[in-house]
Amino acid sequence: EAGVAQSPRYKIIEKRQSVAFWCNPISGHATLYWYQQILGQGPKLLIQFQNNGVVDDSQLPKDRFSAERLKGVDSTLKIQPAKLEDSAVYLCASSSWEGLNTEAFFGQGTRLTVV
Amino acid sequence: AQTVTQSQPEMSVQEAETVTLSCTYDTSESNYYLFWYKQPPSRQMILVIRQEAYKQQNATENRFSVNFQKAAKSFSLKISDSQLGDTAMYFCAFMYTGANSKLTFGKGITLSVRP
Repeated sequence: EAGVAQSPRYKIIEKRQSVAFWCNPISGHATLYWYQQILGQGPKLLIQFQNNGVVDDSQLPKDRFSAERLKGVDSTLKIQPAKLEDSAVYLCASSSWEGLNTEAFFGQGTRLTVV
Repeated sequence: AQTVTQSQPEMSVQEAETVTLSCTYDTSESNYYLFWYKQPPSRQMILVIRQEAYKQQNATENRFSVNFQKAAKSFSLKISDSQLGDTAMYFCAFMYTGANSKLTFGKGITLSVRP
């Protein structure tokens, strides 16, 4: 099966600019996650969708970050305006959490550098 | 809320030898999953092994096995016959089995396999 697709792979922007990331999950997966991974640290959950509804966005900086999942499939994560501390890898993951083989499948991530 | 602790920031092992990576977690839940994920320099997060909390038998996947101690809330990963391709960051992760539960990661450990 096709994996989780993310784009772009890399993005460099200046502080106060805006940026958007796109994720296409594995077909049929109801759960979609966006994680922020700062260099040398573990992934931190920003937002979790179940179909097109938000399940958890408690760690999403809502003054600058927004995310949506259209029709319960693709998702976009936006940052506006970006700050230097937003430099990180943004990982998208999806899962069905059904059956015996439960796991989250990850995309290759987008590396964001804010200068 | 659940927490996942990986206290060793990095480890090194000689090729063909065995290494054990430690992880502890804290939760009040009784039904949950534990995971070890591998993240090589390419950034793609890949599932290594999964353990269901209700199973007493430790999970095994080829050269990878776990030592799951539920009472002690400990979940270590043993890699036997280490290979150069095992060089990566390894993350321990937790998810309870309730609806809409989130996948929580530890900070990770950098494993280097020496030739």
